[in-house]
Formats: sequence, structure tokens, C-alpha cells
Amino acid sequence: ETGVTQSPTHLIKTRGQQVTLRCSSQSGHNTVSWYQQALGQGPQFIFQYYREEENGRGNFPPRFSGLQFPNYSSELNVNALELDDSALYLCASSSGTLNYGYTFGSGTRLTVV
Amino acid sequence: QQQVKQSPQSLIVQKGGISIINCAYENTAFDYFPWYQQFPGKGPALLIAIRPDVSEKKEGRFTISFNKSAKQFSLHIMDSQPGDSATYFCAASIRGGKLIFGQGTELSVKP
Repeated sequence: ETGVTQSPTHLIKTRGQQVTLRCSSQSGHNTVSWYQQALGQGPQFIFQYYREEENGRGNFPPRFSGLQFPNYSSELNVNALELDDSALYLCASSSGTLNYGYTFGSGTRLTVV
Repeated sequence: QQQVKQSPQSLIVQKGGISIINCAYENTAFDYFPWYQQFPGKGPALLIAIRPDVSEKKEGRFTISFNKSAKQFSLHIMDSQPGDSATYFCAASIRGGKLIFGQGTELSVKP
């Protein structure tokens, strides 16, 4: 299987709820990054995982957390959802930590009401 | 200092024309400058990228021009086509790390 796949494609949640987004990395890629893209904005880096360990984090609060599994798939968890969390969440995979070729998935559109 | 500033916010070009999008950065530690193309409902796709040791890179109709002293780089799309209509993002990173994206340029190519 090639490419980065994300699920679900769309999601509606209520403020205060928790959400889990999933990402399957491109074959051979052991690094996964998550980005948040608000409407009309460029993607913002949330965090990166390499071999199941977080090795970089952007300016996001601790209620944003993640996991990377032995098969290099990944989850993004967001607790205590706020209205401003409504965005497109993008997963990107790459090979190694010093890599310049990120492949993005199509994203999960999260709406918080 | 981590910002990448992109302009214009939107651009309308006639079919066959040249589309030019500009970006500027402050952090001289950036060593990788990619351009991404994003269609509605899709994730960004890498279009072309450049390292600061070269001043220009061309791939087909797409060219990156890089001015290290001015800390600016630009994307030129030659012979623009309606299928090029999309949102374009410049970005920068340090040693393959997190990507810092510009704000995006919505390009519309009119037939």
C-alpha cells in the first residue's frame, strides 16, 4: 500500500468531548508528523514521532497528544475540545528524522460545535 | 523569526501566463525550501524544493528562484493552465525538521 491514509475524513464533535484521529504512514516511512490547518491558513506543526517516541512539538497545549505504533501508524488525540480546534488535521510521513520528503495525507476535517 | 511570509494572498492569471508567488524568511538556519500545491479536500503535495546553495531550480513549468542575501524565494509557473488552479504554500525547515508554512496563495487560472 502506498501513500498516507487518514481516517475518518470528516468528524463532528461537541465542545468538551475527546477525539482520536488515525493515520497510516506510507510504506517504508518511520516518521510521522501531525499538522493543524485552519481554514484559509497554512498548516501548523503539532508534533512529530520517530520510532514510537515524540521528538518534536509545536506550540500546542498538552491536551493534544499522540501515539505511534510499531507498524508506524499513528494517532492524534485531542481532549477537552474547543471551538477553535475546528480545522483540517493533516498527517505527514517521511523516512528518518533528517528527511526532506514529507508525504501528506488528505486530512481529517474536524468540526467542533 | 520562525515565520515565513507569503504573498500575494490570491492571484488571478490568464491561461498561458506566468504565475509568480513570493516568500520571505528571517531565520538563516533554514536549509530547505519546498513549495506545496493543495487542491480542495486534499493534503498538500510537494511540487518542487530547493536548498540554499543554489539560486534556481527548474522542473518542467515550475521554477524556484532563491535569493539568499535577501532571504527571499519565489515560485514561477510558466504557461499557467486551468489545472494549476489550487492553493500554493511555501515552506521552510531546518535539517529536515518541522515545516514552517507560509499563509498560502490561492491561484486561479482563467481559460
